[in-house]
Amino acid sequence: GESVGLHLPTLSVQEGDNSIINCAYSNSASDYFIWYKQESGKGPQFIIDIRSNMDKRQGQRVTVLLNKTVKHLSLQIAATQPGDSAVYFCAEGPHMIKAAGNKLTFGGGTRVLVKP
Amino acid sequence: NAGVTQTPKFQVLKTGQSMTLQCAQDMNHEYMSWYRQDPGMGLRLIHYSVGAGITDQGEVPNGYNVSRSTTEDFPLRLLSAAPSQTSVYFCASSYVGQTSYNYGYTFGSGTRLTVV
Repeated sequence: GESVGLHLPTLSVQEGDNSIINCAYSNSASDYFIWYKQESGKGPQFIIDIRSNMDKRQGQRVTVLLNKTVKHLSLQIAATQPGDSAVYFCAEGPHMIKAAGNKLTFGGGTRVLVKP
Repeated sequence: NAGVTQTPKFQVLKTGQSMTLQCAQDMNHEYMSWYRQDPGMGLRLIHYSVGAGITDQGEVPNGYNVSRSTTEDFPLRLLSAAPSQTSVYFCASSYVGQTSYNYGYTFGSGTRLTVV
């Protein structure tokens, strides 16, 4: 079936530096993408989303970039802090939820380790 | 709002035992789903519901039952626990609304289940 994958399983970053987490998706019909953060022992937490009519979206210290041509998604975290240490998942799904429901497909996750 | 509440947080079962994982949300979300999370496997969809009285199977439904008698609750039943069901289980809900725009999931904090 269709799946969402990540290039790097672990990313080590110095505190204060910027982090970039990448994700490749395979379902060209997907038009809604989300990044989730999961801290140890907790459930995934919504960070930021983007719809396919956009190439870039910014939040607080985070930016998501979407390249539909090569089916690539990235999450940039500015001035990475110790509290950013977590596993980050990308997910893909439909922009509009149909009667069949809202099935998101999740990537395997990238672990971000912030070094002091 | 409490969001999505899962109970219990931890559970140990013997092979063959049955149990129910509870999930409740207070956000009036129409869509609810159950995922299991295993190392190296990511999040896999077990069952989902698009509204009270409507449920359907996900990617890995065998050995699990669900029901949705109210908008708020979506319990997951393990009929006869097996060691292969050792996992972390997450319940998630999603707002649909009149526009049917996808806004992603809100996850619970998870139930860590061990079957011995």
